Order: sequence, then structure tokens, then C-alpha cells
Amino acid sequence: DAGVIQSPRHEVTEMGQEVTLRCKPISGHDYLFWYRQTMMRGLELLIYFNNNVPIDDSGMPEDRFSAKMPNASFSTLKIQPSEPRDSAVYFCASSFVQETQYFGPGTRLLVL
Amino acid sequence: AQSVTQPDIHITVSEGASLELRCNYSYGATPYLFWYVQSPGQGLQLLLKYFSGDTLVQGIKGFEAEFKRSQSSFNLRKPSVHWSDAAEYFCAVVGGANNLFFGTGTRLTVIP
Repeated sequence: DAGVIQSPRHEVTEMGQEVTLRCKPISGHDYLFWYRQTMMRGLELLIYFNNNVPIDDSGMPEDRFSAKMPNASFSTLKIQPSEPRDSAVYFCASSFVQETQYFGPGTRLLVL
Repeated sequence: AQSVTQPDIHITVSEGASLELRCNYSYGATPYLFWYVQSPGQGLQLLLKYFSGDTLVQGIKGFEAEFKRSQSSFNLRKPSVHWSDAAEYFCAVVGGANNLFFGTGTRLTVIP
């Protein structure tokens, strides 16, 4: 299997622009997670899905953040409008039931 | 509430020396515990996991960890460190809702 795939790997944008991060989980996995990693706050869970349904979005920082999972093989995390404090590495991970979470390579986001 | 503490922010060891990274967790039930490694600019790679059974678990790259319920610990060990082991190491515990709670990480530096 190719593992969890994320795109883009790097994104540089200007404040106020919309940013869309994409994730393809491992085939057959029924859980998908979005994390954010910063120096100040470490790794934070933003939201997770089970069978394409959002289960817990309490980690989503603001209404500017939204996530969707239209099917079992694709999810997006959108930031609109983006702000400099959103600069971070965003990871997607997937798992099968309560087994191990496998992480993608991450998207490095820089908002100027 | 679930939580993970990694008391050592940064550890430096000589190549060939033994290594122990500390992890303490807080969780009411039997925990699912993980160690992940993150190389610079990379995603998180699973080193090993503990779900149940033998409290000494073996992982990849020669790492092992021991679950000690009485001490609420899951320390990571390696008998002889290689320069390529320099990375950031994260301990994590799965909460009741399949959320992964990460520690703040321990950065390992290996000197020749």
C-alpha cells in the first residue's frame, strides 16, 4: 500500500487566502484524523472521522477551519480565510477500528 | 482525562551508547500505548505499540519498550544508538474515543 497520501507537501499563501489540504487514507481504513503540529503547541488533534462521518471536531480552532470527507478515500481540511498563526505542519492519519494510526508525510503551511 | 508526559525535552547520547526515553501516561483503563519517531521534515513513523499481553514489546530499528502499570510508564529503550536514530520521539496513548494523545516529544541528538 502507498500509505497515507497528503497534498500539497508545501503551501505558501498570503493572509486572507483560502487554503485546502488534501488527504487520501490507506484503503480499508475506517478512521481518518487531522492533526496540526507547531513548536508552541506540539501535536494537536483537530478532527476525526469514522466511516466518513465527523465524530469529534472539538479540536478545530475556529470557524475558519472546516473539514470534509465526501468518501472513504478522500478528505479535505480547509482554512478560509487563512491567518499567519495558522502556519504549521498539518498531518493526516488513518486507522482501522482502534488499531494503529498511520500518518501521512504532512503539509507544511506558511501563511504570510 | 488522558494525558502523556515526556519529561525529557532533549537528550544527547553518544553513538553506541544505550538509550532510554521516558514516558508516563494517565488513563483510567488499560491503555493502548505507542511510540512514534519523527525525522526532520518527515511524518510520524510507528516504532512500536502495546495493546495487551507481554509487557515488553519489540519494535522496528532495534527499539523496545516496557509497559509498567504500577508506574504508569512506557519507556522506550535501545541498547546501542546509531547516528541515524537522531530524531524526535513521541509517546502517545489512545483515549476512549480512539483519539491519540501525544506527549510533547523528546528530541534525541546522537554525537559521534
